[in-house]
Amino acid sequence: AQTVTQSQPEMSVQEAETVTLSCTYDTSESDYYLFWYKQPPSRQMILVIRQEAYKQQNATENRFSVNFQKAAKSFSLKISDSQLGDAAMYFCVRTGANNLFFGTGTRLTVIP
Amino acid sequence: NAGVTQTPKFQVLKTGQSMTLQCAQDMNHEYMSWYRQDPGMGLRLIHYSVGAGITDQGEVPNGYNVSRSTTEDFPLRLLSAAPSQTSVYFCASSYLRSTEAFFGQGTRLTVV
Repeated sequence: AQTVTQSQPEMSVQEAETVTLSCTYDTSESDYYLFWYKQPPSRQMILVIRQEAYKQQNATENRFSVNFQKAAKSFSLKISDSQLGDAAMYFCVRTGANNLFFGTGTRLTVIP
Repeated sequence: NAGVTQTPKFQVLKTGQSMTLQCAQDMNHEYMSWYRQDPGMGLRLIHYSVGAGITDQGEVPNGYNVSRSTTEDFPLRLLSAAPSQTSVYFCASSYLRSTEAFFGQGTRLTVV
């Protein structure tokens, strides 16, 4: 089965602290892409970060970075200096042949 | 730059009624798709299209039809609404399967 697993349904973090969201996936493809999307209460889906599977270097976007372990099929998201605006549902996503496979999401709460 | 425009934002249907969810993008993207989002299940693919005149089924296609007569538009039709189709629906488009997917604002559909 080509699935994406997020084992943490809910996480919380103190404002200004660091939190890591976990994701594992399964695939038989050698060429694929991984994303983290954020969904705030507005329901809008917002791209947080993107990783090409053929690149060993971990992607970074400002306070957001990933730990991509291809052999282990692991793709975790680290949020540094957490802000109140980071509170949202986070989805780990993998590309398929013509579509996207979503994890079930992790709801992040940021505590002031 | 409108991006992906999805309408309506909210809809209540009676069992057995039909309706069409509209989706339009102005970015000249070839890939378009429809997902449904249910609690605890992430987003699941309903139908997708890799270009005008080409559509295919996703993971949960039953009860839905699509067509792609132009690059810009990809409507989703509910043939005979059922309570099991109560969900939040998202339209998405991307230039290539590996690039960022842009999402519409979602439609919250309730079937009573």
